[in-house]
Amino acid sequence: GNSVTQMEGPVTLSEEAFLTINCTYTATGYPSLFWYVQYPGEGLQLLLKATKADDKGSNKGFEATYRKETTSFHLEKGSVQVSDSAVYFCALRGFNKFYFGSGTKLNVKP
Amino acid sequence: DTAVSQTPKYLVTQMGNDKSIKCEQNLGHDTMYWYKQDSKKFLKIMFSYNNKELIINETVPNRFSPKSPDKAHLNLHINSLELGDSAVYFCASSQDRAGANNRDGYTFGSGTRLTVV
Repeated sequence: GNSVTQMEGPVTLSEEAFLTINCTYTATGYPSLFWYVQYPGEGLQLLLKATKADDKGSNKGFEATYRKETTSFHLEKGSVQVSDSAVYFCALRGFNKFYFGSGTKLNVKP
Repeated sequence: DTAVSQTPKYLVTQMGNDKSIKCEQNLGHDTMYWYKQDSKKFLKIMFSYNNKELIINETVPNRFSPKSPDKAHLNLHINSLELGDSAVYFCASSQDRAGANNRDGYTFGSGTRLTVV
């Protein structure tokens, strides 16, 4: 079956620190992979996606590479800002269904 | 603005009441969803409709009934509300092709925070 596992939070970093949020998946077939971000009190927003192996999704300084050999899609950012504080969800899209990870809360301190 | 919009944003009600949450999307998508997010931020799909037809119905109590009058609207009606129904409910939509391995993301609404007291 399909599933997504991401690191538990919260993750607390100082401004300008390097961010990695780990995400691994199990899937049948060749799913698309996504990162969504949820700011406090808001809905989920698509942050980036990758639709096939070795694709790199990027947006707003965030990056993630679809690694089929390690079944991973880790989220990275070189220098986080206070405004990046949010909950980040890794997800995969199997046939007509999304599978979300449990979310990782990121706190960035000034 | 093109978006998925839900109303109301907040809903506080007593146990045993019946309530509805409305969702509308003007993106021209033909598939809509309801998700429940619990206090630990875990997201669970409840229902999915494609062109007004129910295609996903996860293990959800019968007290929850979705209604899709047209492909731009998917409402959620909840009967006999219980304390455990307190959560944030998200509507989402996507443009899917029937029978295909669709690869696009979903567009989410901003959520309805339901509190049952």
